[in-house]
Amino acid sequence: DARVTQTPRHKVTEMGQEVTMRCQPILGHNTVFWYRQTMMQGLELLAYFRNRAPLDDSGMPKDRFSAEMPDATLATLKIQPSEPRDSAVYFCASGLVLPGANVLTFGAGSRLTVL
Amino acid sequence: RKEVEQDPGPFNVPEGATVAFNCTYSNSASQSFFWYRQDCRKEPKLLMSVYSSGNEDGRFTAQLNRASQYISLLIRDSKLSDSATYLCAVRYSGNTGKLIFGQGTTLQVKP
Repeated sequence: DARVTQTPRHKVTEMGQEVTMRCQPILGHNTVFWYRQTMMQGLELLAYFRNRAPLDDSGMPKDRFSAEMPDATLATLKIQPSEPRDSAVYFCASGLVLPGANVLTFGAGSRLTVL
Repeated sequence: RKEVEQDPGPFNVPEGATVAFNCTYSNSASQSFFWYRQDCRKEPKLLMSVYSSGNEDGRFTAQLNRASQYISLLIRDSKLSDSATYLCAVRYSGNTGKLIFGQGTTLQVKP
């Protein structure tokens, strides 16, 4: 089965440190999403890309978060500087988005703890 | 107000029970609807798409009410293995593919 691969699976860091999360989408998928999940807020959309171009990053705190897709096999989400409130599970999902169809496949997530 | 809302539960039901979840959405331009299942400490996985005429997959039935802007999921003859969090997802019209999720409804099926 094709899968979305995320690294790291777990990350514990101290406040103020830079954190970079990586995602390898499924080959052939044209859209990549970054979501953040917490108990309080649920699954929040941070940013997404279509054919590597950013479509919407309005869900992302702009001052400390950045998302890029340097090539078709890699999407990154960077937090600099990290804060305790960034502690969450970050999911990457990819899909082949066509009219009337939008099924996403999620990666296993990166569990971030900021102390 | 969140764009997609669900009752977080938990819903505690005995095995064999029928249970239903609702999910409301605020954007009338929403186009496509889905139910995802998420097991504890795992990623969400697609359970089923929701079609305008309603659709069924085994013990699961999904329905859409555009006039009232909600979707529902009905689980019949619930099994212990159905215990999970059920997330509804809404895709806006247009081809951007933006998919917004509800907070999820937790189901616990007891023996």
